Amino acid sequence: DGGITQSPKYLFRKEGQNVTLSCEQNLNHDAMYWYRQDPGQGLRLIYYSQIVNDFQKGDIAEGYSVSREKKESFPLTVTSAQKNPTAFYLCASSIGRGAYNEQFFGPGTRLTVL
Amino acid sequence: AQTVTQSQPEMSVQEAETVTLSCTYDTSESDYYLFWYKQPPSRQMILVIRQEAYKQQNATENRFSVNFQKAAKSFSLKISDSQLGDAAMYFCACGGSEKLVFGKGTKLTVNP
Repeated sequence: DGGITQSPKYLFRKEGQNVTLSCEQNLNHDAMYWYRQDPGQGLRLIYYSQIVNDFQKGDIAEGYSVSREKKESFPLTVTSAQKNPTAFYLCASSIGRGAYNEQFFGPGTRLTVL
Repeated sequence: AQTVTQSQPEMSVQEAETVTLSCTYDTSESDYYLFWYKQPPSRQMILVIRQEAYKQQNATENRFSVNFQKAAKSFSLKISDSQLGDAAMYFCACGGSEKLVFGKGTKLTVNP
């Protein structure tokens, strides 16, 4: 089955720790995205990548980092510099460059800082 | 840059009735697309409908249709014959050459 997987579904982090959220797609899509969802805030873009080995900051990139070494994978690291990391994180992918096409979303990761 | 505004945080509709969700947007791009996404309680985001800005004809997908008013920068979603499974958060979004920008969402409740 083609799709996007995210792991883990739930993640708990102690303050001061870095954690990495996994996102994998087998849709052969060029572009991948990371969003953060908070109650009442909709989805906000953290980072995006339109091609392997290249990525750009979104609207709320501070305290996050990404890599895009393979077309299928776009992991997100939440660093200790992110002051309020508790949120629901969604990964998405789309065919082609730009945001003209449908984005397909993974099931999400719920991150909680203890 | 793009902005998307959904002015209705919550809406409710009776089963089998029709409901319209509002969305206004602003963008500096001449080529852009508009989207409505649905997020049910499972939190899985699903595309409902997509509209190409250069097309005047309103997009339709079964019971879902849009009213696209380009000059007014308005993009409302009409759900006909509402079903219990339509209960969800609905997000309007505007996509351009770089990124997709979402509104804050409208929570739709369907009453039996």
